[in-house]
Amino acid sequence: NAGVMQNPRHLVRRRGQEARLRCSPMKGHSHVYWYRQLPEEGLKFMVYLQKENIIDESGMPKERFSAEFPKEGPSILRIQQVVRGDSAAYFCASSPEVAGESEQYFGPGTRLTVT
Amino acid sequence: DAKTTQPNSMESNEEEPVHLPCNHSTISGTDYIHWYRQLPSQGPEYVIHGLTSNVNNRMASLAIAEDRKSSTLILHRATLRDAAVYYCILLTTTFSGSARQLTFGSGTQLTVLP
Repeated sequence: NAGVMQNPRHLVRRRGQEARLRCSPMKGHSHVYWYRQLPEEGLKFMVYLQKENIIDESGMPKERFSAEFPKEGPSILRIQQVVRGDSAAYFCASSPEVAGESEQYFGPGTRLTVT
Repeated sequence: DAKTTQPNSMESNEEEPVHLPCNHSTISGTDYIHWYRQLPSQGPEYVIHGLTSNVNNRMASLAIAEDRKSSTLILHRATLRDAAVYYCILLTTTFSGSARQLTFGSGTQLTVLP
């Protein structure tokens, strides 16, 4: 059973460009979470999704950031008009069922560098 | 979610046991205690979790105080590959049963000395 997959692993964008980060959850997992880790900082929750629904986006910046988890295909985190402050590692996690009792499985992350 | 307190850093010698403490004095009855670790340049990795009773798995043991206000992650024989930041996280399942995000603190940086 393949783990959580993220691509690309490294992404370089110029200021003003768009960044698209992809996450394929583990097979059978219907819950997806996105976290961001700024340099020298801890991980911060961004958004929690189930298939075709955003459940909690309380950690998402109000502008330029969006996320989706379509019925078919991977979850996408989209950052429009990137700025240098968006440079960070973005981690996706998935879980099979309600958290509390179940663990989250993390992908290897996408390291975004904005030049 | 309730707050946890962990030492910033700890050191251990290779092949010796390591006890990583976590204080969570404001824990509620529905909070699960989760431990994750993050190796350098990798995503976090689940280690163990529990509610009231002590738990064992292939990676570690979790000892939970009787009043649940503290817990200890035990690595029975530390290896160099165990050097990582260890996070103690309280996770509450909401009334509706929906999943909750993990709230990471600063964790404990474990250094394993050869």
